Amino acid sequence: QSVLTQPPSASGTPGQRVTISCSGSRSNIGTNTINWYQQLPGTAPKLLIYSDNQRPSGVPDRFSGSKSGTSASLAISGLQFEDEADYYCAAWDDSVNGYVVFGGGTKLTVL
Amino acid sequence: QLQLQESGPGLVKPSETLSLTCTVSGGSISSSDYYWGWVRQPPGKGLEWIGSMYYSGGAYYNPSLKSRVTISMDPSKNQFSLKLSSVTAADTAVYYCGRDTIMVRRVIIYYDGMDVWGQGTTVTVSS
Repeated sequence: QSVLTQPPSASGTPGQRVTISCSGSRSNIGTNTINWYQQLPGTAPKLLIYSDNQRPSGVPDRFSGSKSGTSASLAISGLQFEDEADYYCAAWDDSVNGYVVFGGGTKLTVL
Repeated sequence: QLQLQESGPGLVKPSETLSLTCTVSGGSISSSDYYWGWVRQPPGKGLEWIGSMYYSGGAYYNPSLKSRVTISMDPSKNQFSLKLSSVTAADTAVYYCGRDTIMVRRVIIYYDGMDVWGQGTTVTVSS
């Protein structure tokens, strides 16, 4: 049972815009920024979005993040076959002494 | 270009201690801007953050694993290590090391994710 809640799956066709949600609580998303990772099959995760809506160098602007209250979303516009991957949200959680919590992951299928 | 590489036994017996090392190249683990940590992923499952440590010794751990986890740093070798004691089959996973952007400003913690990852190493717990 993950601390952050994501839908297990999402899908779209090339060119479409898809969104993936991530729900948490006041101690994590409600207080701290959200980060998103992309994990292509058989590879290590890659930081896609940090600080709610910032893209690391090299990440296309087709990827964007947003947050409201205790929920966040990752949006992918102009969907491409190469975007088929697992996507994870993560945030700092202030409970206990503080630690990082992940969502359970969303498998994105490009049809 | 910063690169991280995990190393260690691929097979560990139940009740024993899992030990992994992460070797960093292209940068120093003594950098004042970053923590260095571990994430694992059981087969077919999601990511779980294990913990991260600053070069001078401050650390944060996942409370569900804290009693069994030790992360240590060796700046002279530019390496950091993970020890997980009393392992069971549930600890079978791919273990990743990475650079964690944990910034502590007075009492507020800002977390911008793990921005550089190793390729991962598979550890199986079995007799």
